Amino acid sequence: QSALTQPPSASGSPGQSVTISCTGTSSDVDVYNFISWYQQLPGKAPKLLIYDVTKRPSGVPDRFSGSKSGNAASLTVSRLQAEDEGDYYCGSYAGSNNVIFGGGTKLTVL
Amino acid sequence: QVQLRESGPGLVKPSQTLSLTCTISNGSISSGDYFWSWVRQHPGKGLEWIGYVYYTGPSYYNPSLKSQVSMSVDRSQNHFSLRLSSVTAADTAVYYCARYEWGSGDYYFDSWGQGTLVTVSS
Repeated sequence: QSALTQPPSASGSPGQSVTISCTGTSSDVDVYNFISWYQQLPGKAPKLLIYDVTKRPSGVPDRFSGSKSGNAASLTVSRLQAEDEGDYYCGSYAGSNNVIFGGGTKLTVL
Repeated sequence: QVQLRESGPGLVKPSQTLSLTCTISNGSISSGDYFWSWVRQHPGKGLEWIGYVYYTGPSYYNPSLKSQVSMSVDRSQNHFSLRLSSVTAADTAVYYCARYEWGSGDYYFDSWGQGTLVTVSS
């Protein structure tokens, strides 16, 4: 199984929106609506931001949103804040009790 | 809110077996809605799913690590464990335990431990 493909970096200014892509295959992202996104701030453990493509756990700001089209999922961070700077990972159930992650995207707030 | 905490040696010699335990607080390992998981992160790199184990015992592993990995559950101690055999320097990483939600028909990691760095070196 191969990792999902994410851009290594993304950036935006405070108040702007940025979108991070996550590309998979017909065996994972395209087939399952079990895409999740995780935020990892420097020196911290990952934290769940989005699950099932679009759902937000309680406590996650609505500035974070997810979508999917075919074999590509996306995370959009609206109204960027300095505290959003960190690494973002997508994850997907890949069938047969396999789980895969993307390589991660480093988000910089300019 | 459930809390997870990894414990185990921070230094393991090459060819030996890495053993870690994840202790669960404010929750029960016997909840049928979750798989109990291990994820690692090589220094400066991304996340890698190692595998997960169900409270009744069945376990599932990343195919690329399957020959090295075993996981187990101790319901009396409310913890689960990872064993990674024949380690090399390539197994140096931060190891996270995490809870994987699946019972409601959703699939995602909803809680994570703080992580523990394991270095493989002689």
